[in-house]
Amino acid sequence: AQKVTQAQTEISVVEKEDVTLDCVYETRDTTYYLFWYKQPPSGELVFLIRRNSFDEQNEISGRYSWNFQKSTSSFNFTITASQVVDSAVYFCALSERGGRDDKIIFGKGTRLHILP
Amino acid sequence: DGGITQSPKYLFRKEGQNVTLSCEQNLNHDAMYWYRQDPGQGLRLIYYSQIVNDFQKGDIAEGYSVSREKKESFPLTVTSAQKNPTAFYLCASTLYRGNQPQHFGDGTRLSIL
Repeated sequence: AQKVTQAQTEISVVEKEDVTLDCVYETRDTTYYLFWYKQPPSGELVFLIRRNSFDEQNEISGRYSWNFQKSTSSFNFTITASQVVDSAVYFCALSERGGRDDKIIFGKGTRLHILP
Repeated sequence: DGGITQSPKYLFRKEGQNVTLSCEQNLNHDAMYWYRQDPGQGLRLIYYSQIVNDFQKGDIAEGYSVSREKKESFPLTVTSAQKNPTAFYLCASTLYRGNQPQHFGDGTRLSIL
């Protein structure tokens, strides 16, 4: 069965510090997709990144970077030089190869506080 | 602009009352989803639909009902059978495959009077 674990319920860091959000997943499939979403205080979820199971290259987008390691079933998210606007709840999610039950499983989220 | 519109933003329900949450998308997406979010629980799937006139139960479908008569609309009814409906409800859509990123609405916050 699919499972996504975000062990960090809440994190607080001071602005300009780097912070890493952990995500560990479980799946029996060899083809799957991993996602990160950001939920600011306004409520809507904003898509950040999608990674498929065959692409283990790390990705960098501005201050955001993602480290995908199949050997440890982890897909961690790092924010460099954090800013107050990064304060939000961040969700990691997993989708197996599409089929009749075509859905995404979300972790419980990590609430990130960036302190000025 | 393309997107997902949820209404109302806030909704109050009386005991024994059914209420319907609206979700409309103009992204021409095939699949639509309803999630419930409670503090510390993350997102839990209520119902999803991959095509018009077809939908499947998610993990917590009891006390909820949906319809998918049009591609762009996926309303959720919270029935009186749902004993603890207070939560934040999010609607999402995606191209047919579940491996595509989901687009989310702004959510509806439902409370009990």
